[in-house]
Amino acid sequence: GAGVSQSPSNKVTEKGKDVELRCDPISGHTALYWYRQSLGQGLEFLIYFQGNSAPDKSGLPSDRFSAERTGGSVSTLTIQRTQQEDSAVYLCASSLGTPGLKGEQYFGPGTRLTVT
Amino acid sequence: EDQVTQSPEALRLQEGESSSLNCSYTVSGLRGLFWYRQDPGKGPEFLFTLYSAGEEKEKERLKATLTKKESFLHITAPKPEDSATYLCAVQGYSSASKIIFGSGTRLSIRP
Repeated sequence: GAGVSQSPSNKVTEKGKDVELRCDPISGHTALYWYRQSLGQGLEFLIYFQGNSAPDKSGLPSDRFSAERTGGSVSTLTIQRTQQEDSAVYLCASSLGTPGLKGEQYFGPGTRLTVT
Repeated sequence: EDQVTQSPEALRLQEGESSSLNCSYTVSGLRGLFWYRQDPGKGPEFLFTLYSAGEEKEKERLKATLTKKESFLHITAPKPEDSATYLCAVQGYSSASKIIFGSGTRLSIRP
């Protein structure tokens, strides 16, 4: 079946511009996660959705970052007034439930964001 | 604060040479410990979940074990296709949703 998809796969933007990153989770998966991975680093948790609500936004690095999820499906991560330190790969994952409750995460291929 | 430390950062092995990767963790009440494999340019691929000390899981040449302070990913007689970055992550009861990842071990298997 179809896995998690993300678009665009690559995005180059100028400093100060806004960007939107999209995630299409696996159909029926209620949990959705956004992570950021800088070069050679592990994954940094950004935000978690259960359905359309985000009970945990604690990982968002600043108020320039926001995310929403509609219809319990597609999610968008928006970064306003991008800075060079925002350059990274942004990964989305979905699961049937919260991982740790036997709900393993399935990851998309990521969006590579470069801020020039 | 929940933390995950993986060692070594990089490991180069000869094909057939068995070894282990380490994941040390600090968490206030372990809900689950996860192992993932990540190939260059791709998202991580789930391997195992471990829930309690003493638990073991196996998949092909990989075996994951768990104690109260660390987890090991044992690789037996590896092949070049096992080359990848292996990530460890934990989820604690203090934050039911947040998952903390280590920085990974980059494994390279020479033919």
